[in-house]
Amino acid sequence: KAGVTQTPRYLIKTRGQQVTLSCSPISGHRSVSWYQQTPGQGLQFLFEYFSETQRNKGNFPGRFSGRQFSNSRSEMNVSTLELGDSALYLCASSLERNTDTQYFGPGTRLTVL
Amino acid sequence: SQKIEQNSEALNIQEGKTATLTCNYTNYSPAYLQWYRQDPGRGPVFLLLIRENEKEKRKERLKVTFDTTLKQSLFHITASQPADSATYLCALDRENRDDKIIFGKGTRLHILP
Repeated sequence: KAGVTQTPRYLIKTRGQQVTLSCSPISGHRSVSWYQQTPGQGLQFLFEYFSETQRNKGNFPGRFSGRQFSNSRSEMNVSTLELGDSALYLCASSLERNTDTQYFGPGTRLTVL
Repeated sequence: SQKIEQNSEALNIQEGKTATLTCNYTNYSPAYLQWYRQDPGRGPVFLLLIRENEKEKRKERLKVTFDTTLKQSLFHITASQPADSATYLCALDRENRDDKIIFGKGTRLHILP
C-alpha cells in the first residue's frame, strides 16, 4: 500500500505571495490532517478534513485554509505569505479520525524570502 | 493552559544501554498518549499508543508507561542501537477530547557506538 505523498517537497516563495500544497492520503483513509513544524514551536495542528468537510481547526490565522476532495486528497493554501510561515508542512492521514494512528507524509519544506 | 514538556532537547546514551525519554503534561487529563519517531527530513512515524486506563505497553524493545497521577509518560528503548538515533515525539489528545492532538517538541536521542 502506498504511503502518504506530498507535493511539492520543496518550495521557495517571497513575502506576499500565496502557496498551495497537496497531499494524497493512504488509500481508504478518510481523515487528513495538516501540521506546521518549526524548530521553535514544534509540531502544531492546523486543521483536519473528513469527507470533504473541515472537522477541526487549530489556532492559525485565516490566511491558512484547506480543502478536501471526494477522493480524500487534500490541499492547503497559505495566502499573503510572511517570513514566519517558513516551516515544514506535514500532512497525515488516518482511517476515520486524527485520533486514530496517523501516517505522516514526508512534508513540504516551505521557505519564504 | 495545556502544556506538554519532553524532558530534554537532546539525550546521549551509550549503545546497549536503556534510553528513557520523558513526557510531562499539565492542566488536563488526556484519554491517550502516543509516541512517534522522526528522522531528519522525514515525517513522524507512529510507534506506540497507550490509553489512560493502561499502565504499560510494550512492542519489541520499546516500552511505554503512563502515570495519570504524575501526569507523565516514560518511553524506554532497551538494548539501544545507533539506528535508534532520532527525534522522539509524544502526542496527546486535548482535554475536551475534540480530536485535536497536541505534540511535544521532541527529544533528540543520540545512541553512541
